[in-house]
Amino acid sequence: GAVVSQHPSRVICKSGTSVKIECRSLDFQATTMFWYRQFPKQSLMLMATSNEGSKATYEQGVEKDKFLINHASLTLSTLTVTSAHPEDSSFYICSARSIWTQINEQFFGPGTRLTVL
Amino acid sequence: KNEVEQSPQNLTAQEGEFITINCSYSVGISALHWLQQHPGGGIVSLFMLSSGKKKHGRLIATINIQEKHSSLHITASHPRDSAVYICAADRIYGNKLVFGAGTILRVKS
Repeated sequence: GAVVSQHPSRVICKSGTSVKIECRSLDFQATTMFWYRQFPKQSLMLMATSNEGSKATYEQGVEKDKFLINHASLTLSTLTVTSAHPEDSSFYICSARSIWTQINEQFFGPGTRLTVL
Repeated sequence: KNEVEQSPQNLTAQEGEFITINCSYSVGISALHWLQQHPGGGIVSLFMLSSGKKKHGRLIATINIQEKHSSLHITASHPRDSAVYICAADRIYGNKLVFGAGTILRVKS
C-alpha cells in the first residue's frame, strides 16, 4: 500500500518554542492531507484538513494561529506548533488521500509524539 | 449518542480464539475503515469497505449497509494481534472520517 512518513517521530522541546512536523506521501500524490491529535487512551481528533495549494480548514476549537498548516506540494504538508506549551503535548498523526487510488482511501503516517517541558 | 459506536471497549482473548469487534454507525457513509493502532502509536489501515466482505490473511471485515453495521473478525488470534482496533466512517458528505472510540484487544498466550 501507499506510504506516508512523518518526521520527527518524537520531539521534546521547551515551553515557548515552535515545533515543525512534516508529513510526506512517499510514493503517491496526495491532494488532501489531514492532521489529527490523539490524547492518551482516546481516539483521534481531527484538527484540520489541508488541500494542496490552499489554506487549511480547521475544526472548531482548533486555533489556526497556534497550529500552522502548510501544504505546499502534493507530497508534503507541515504542521507547526507555535509557542508550544505543556498542554500541547500529544501524539500528532497525519493522513493523506491519494488522487490515484480510490477516492475514499486514506493512508496514515506513523505519528509524532510531542512533549513540551 | 456518538455517530460511530464500537463494542466491546475492551476484549481479552486466549491465543487461537476467534474474535469479533463490532461497529455501528448512524451517518450515511461512502465507506467504512478499520484501523489498527499498536502501542507506540502508528496507525495501519486494515480495510476500507463499502459493501460485502473483505479478507486479508486472518482478518475478515464485513459490512451491512442496510443495518449500518460492520464487523471485524480475527481468526486464530495471536498475541501479536494485541492492539487497538478503530472503525471510522467516511461520511457521504464532507471529506472527513468519524472515528469510533476503539476496542482494546489483548490476546494472551
